Amino acid sequence: AQTVTQSQPEMSVQEAETVTLSCTYDTSESDYYLFWYKQPPSRQMILVIRQEAYKQQNATENRFSVNFQKAAKSFSLKISDSQLGDAAMYFCAYRSVMRGKLVFGAGTILRVKS
Amino acid sequence: SAVISQKPSRDICQRGTSLTIQCQVDSQVTMMFWYRQQPGQSLTLIATANQGSEATYESGFVIDKFPISRPNLTFSTLTVSNMSPEDSSIYLCSVRAGGSYEQYFGPGTRLTVT
Repeated sequence: AQTVTQSQPEMSVQEAETVTLSCTYDTSESDYYLFWYKQPPSRQMILVIRQEAYKQQNATENRFSVNFQKAAKSFSLKISDSQLGDAAMYFCAYRSVMRGKLVFGAGTILRVKS
Repeated sequence: SAVISQKPSRDICQRGTSLTIQCQVDSQVTMMFWYRQQPGQSLTLIATANQGSEATYESGFVIDKFPISRPNLTFSTLTVSNMSPEDSSIYLCSVRAGGSYEQYFGPGTRLTVT
């Protein structure tokens, strides 16, 4: 079964600085998608960024970018120029193209200090 | 992206009663899912709501406890039956359109069982 591991229960970053959240996953499949979701205190899950496993180029969405290392099964999220609104729980998630179920990591709480 | 609404947004219920949660999407979607998120935890998939047929439940979840309906491509309900305090959680509806690999979430229903 696929598993997703987020080894950092909590991270802090100073406003305007850069922070990287770690995620590793375990799978025997070659075709899959990876996602980062953000859940602020309002509890609304927001899709931040996604990556298709067949793409070598790392995805980027404005201040958010990923470092996708397929061989190492690693998918970290980098947040540049951190803002107070970035404070939230961040979940890494995996979905197999074949099986279709989204599998979540345990989450990382990100605190942004002003 | 799809716009998803859930009713109620929160409720406090007595042990032994049942609550039905509604999920409405602003467009037709192929797949609808129900998740549970216990306080401070990650998301756990309860079931996939299939239009016109019985839902597909994950291990540890049964139809008698969590009956699900999906009468059309934009609406689904999840009932939490014979509630106990252990059912206190956030319940989230999630959707994925056919041909899309992105999955979106509703705002969640916060359930407290006393």
